[in-house]
Amino acid sequence: EAQVTQNPRYLITVTGKKLTVTCSQNMNHEYMSWYRQDPGLGLRQIYYSMNVEVTDKGDVPEGYKVSRKEKRNFPLILESPSPNQTSLYFCASSLMTGYNSPLHFGNGTRLTVT
Amino acid sequence: QKEVEQNSGPLSVPEGAIASLNCTYSDRGSQSFFWYRQYSGKSPELIMSIYSNGDKEDGRFTAQLNKASQYVSLLIRDSQPSDSATYLCAVKEGKLIFGQGTTLQVKP
Repeated sequence: EAQVTQNPRYLITVTGKKLTVTCSQNMNHEYMSWYRQDPGLGLRQIYYSMNVEVTDKGDVPEGYKVSRKEKRNFPLILESPSPNQTSLYFCASSLMTGYNSPLHFGNGTRLTVT
Repeated sequence: QKEVEQNSGPLSVPEGAIASLNCTYSDRGSQSFFWYRQYSGKSPELIMSIYSNGDKEDGRFTAQLNKASQYVSLLIRDSQPSDSATYLCAVKEGKLIFGQGTTLQVKP
């Protein structure tokens, strides 16, 4: 089944403890992206990647890192999480960055930082 | 700054009625337009895409695009309680930009 898989689905952690949220897609998509979703603020892009070893900042990259060593994987790294990073996170991918390539979303990771 | 605007709602309609969801965008160069449905706590799910002016129908859903007015809408015919969700409009010109979504409530 074609899908974007995120893990974990739920994560509770403490301030400053490094964490990684994994994202993997099995559709051979070139483009991958991370979003966070907060009430009243909608979906905001954190980082995106147009291909292997090519990553770029989105609208809210502060406090996050990403890597794209393989086409299928695009992990999101929080080196020193803070409470303002408590949010619902989505990984998404699309075949290419062309105008007619819709995004496919993972199931989301709900992160709580205390 | 490029923007996509939606009325947050909630939009409440009775079962069987037509629900009309609207979206405006600021970038005249936008090429593609998408509607996603998102149930509470779940991920957005693509339900419609439209790229040229006019209407596009898929089952009970019709997307309408008017590039001159920078306006895209989604009509849901014969609304069902299972259609109750937040509907996100997304517009692409280079970058994909999401609106904040309209919450639809379909009352039995």
